[in-house]
Amino acid sequence: GAVVSQHPSRVICKSGTSVKIECRSLDFQATTMFWYRQFPKQSLMLMATSNEGSKATYEQGVEKDKFLINHASLTLSTLTVTSAHPEDSSFYICSAESPGFGARSEAFFGQGTRLTVV
Amino acid sequence: AQKVTQAQTEISVVEKEDVTLDCVYETRDTTYYLFWYKQPPSGELVFLIRRNSFDEQNEISGRYSWNFQKSTSSFNFTITASQVVDSAVYFCALSEAGLDGNNRLAFGKGNQVVVIP
Repeated sequence: GAVVSQHPSRVICKSGTSVKIECRSLDFQATTMFWYRQFPKQSLMLMATSNEGSKATYEQGVEKDKFLINHASLTLSTLTVTSAHPEDSSFYICSAESPGFGARSEAFFGQGTRLTVV
Repeated sequence: AQKVTQAQTEISVVEKEDVTLDCVYETRDTTYYLFWYKQPPSGELVFLIRRNSFDEQNEISGRYSWNFQKSTSSFNFTITASQVVDSAVYFCALSEAGLDGNNRLAFGKGNQVVVIP
């Protein structure tokens, strides 16, 4: 099956700094990638949809200036958490789909990134 | 309104018992996809199954089986003869097209399955 690689898997940063998370599709071109956030013992909540070459579409309540998403190529999308604060500590996970997999793909997921802001 | 409902938060079973996870969904689309994912303690999401809305056949894969009932908008998942390695959170998800044309996955709250040896 298709592989999506997410890096880093774990990061600890100081409050006020920015953190970049990468999501790569390794063996297919992903025109659309999704970013989710998961709090402990909670479900996955969609943050934004990232389309290659265009601006990301953010879900209601997600701060665009806080969570910067860039999808510069068909194999890479990045999520930057700017001026991170302890409340941003969470598990972030990306997924990717490609038109080649059909209109409703199985949404391949990355391994996730556990962010801790101290 | 919640689109995917997984009512049981945590389920504990003794090893070798069967466990059924309920999933009820809500959609106005006539074409949609349903998924089950497993999330072990390490955090990654493991794809288990995808079912489209036109395929109501039940499916069996090893110790896993799924029962799709369109009439009741349910897509239940059964683990037969559970093993300790089955301990994880299981998510049911629904894929729908958003207003922007992109497909979106709406997840249920998940079922924490604990298999006791």
